Amino acid sequence: ETGVTQTPRHLVMGMTNKKSLKCEQHLGHNAMYWYKQSAKKPLELMFVYNFKEQTENNSVPSRFSPECPNSSHLFLHLHTLQPEDSALYLCASSQELNYEKLFFGSGTQLSVL
Amino acid sequence: QKEVEQDPGPLSVPEGAIVSLNCTYSNSAFQYFMWYRQYSRKGPELLMYTYSSGNKEDGRFTAQVDKSSKYISLFIRDSQPSDSATYLCAMKGGGGTSYGKLTFGQGTILTVHP
Repeated sequence: ETGVTQTPRHLVMGMTNKKSLKCEQHLGHNAMYWYKQSAKKPLELMFVYNFKEQTENNSVPSRFSPECPNSSHLFLHLHTLQPEDSALYLCASSQELNYEKLFFGSGTQLSVL
Repeated sequence: QKEVEQDPGPLSVPEGAIVSLNCTYSNSAFQYFMWYRQYSRKGPELLMYTYSSGNKEDGRFTAQVDKSSKYISLFIRDSQPSDSATYLCAMKGGGGTSYGKLTFGQGTILTVHP
């Protein structure tokens, strides 16, 4: 595996479910990011981790809970989501915490029913 | 007013055409400018990266930054069907804000038809 890998690629969940998104980067990068991409809206930064320490929480509702056990893995735990949370969730990494040259995964397309 | 404005298109051009994609911005602190390309069902990939004003060329792609007008452009020469994708502009501050967050445009959907 190379680059940034996200699983699952697609996820359908009910509003009362609990699920987790997984991201793994094989690039030796130190910073990892979660972004949300909704139709006809710019990418929205959600969370940032640098050397597995959270450095940014962009006013994200508590129903989204990130976890970064090490510099290569990032999770996004989901619970009691709303239909408006349906979107493409993208994980990205960069060599340093500078937001410049981001490497993105293919994303998880989430649908909340 | 949005910090970054980008026409979402869609833009449809014939193969071989010159494509011009643009973004305007309002924050004069932006100093780093990027273009990402996103194919359908994929994540964005960095296409061009420029610092401050000027031009940068990479093969068929040219990125231009005009800080005085707060306007950036991406030109694609001899466009190919494989260039069909969504193009996202992104920018961030420099200097003391070198760890500043990226601000993305909405993205322009481009289709190059044979």
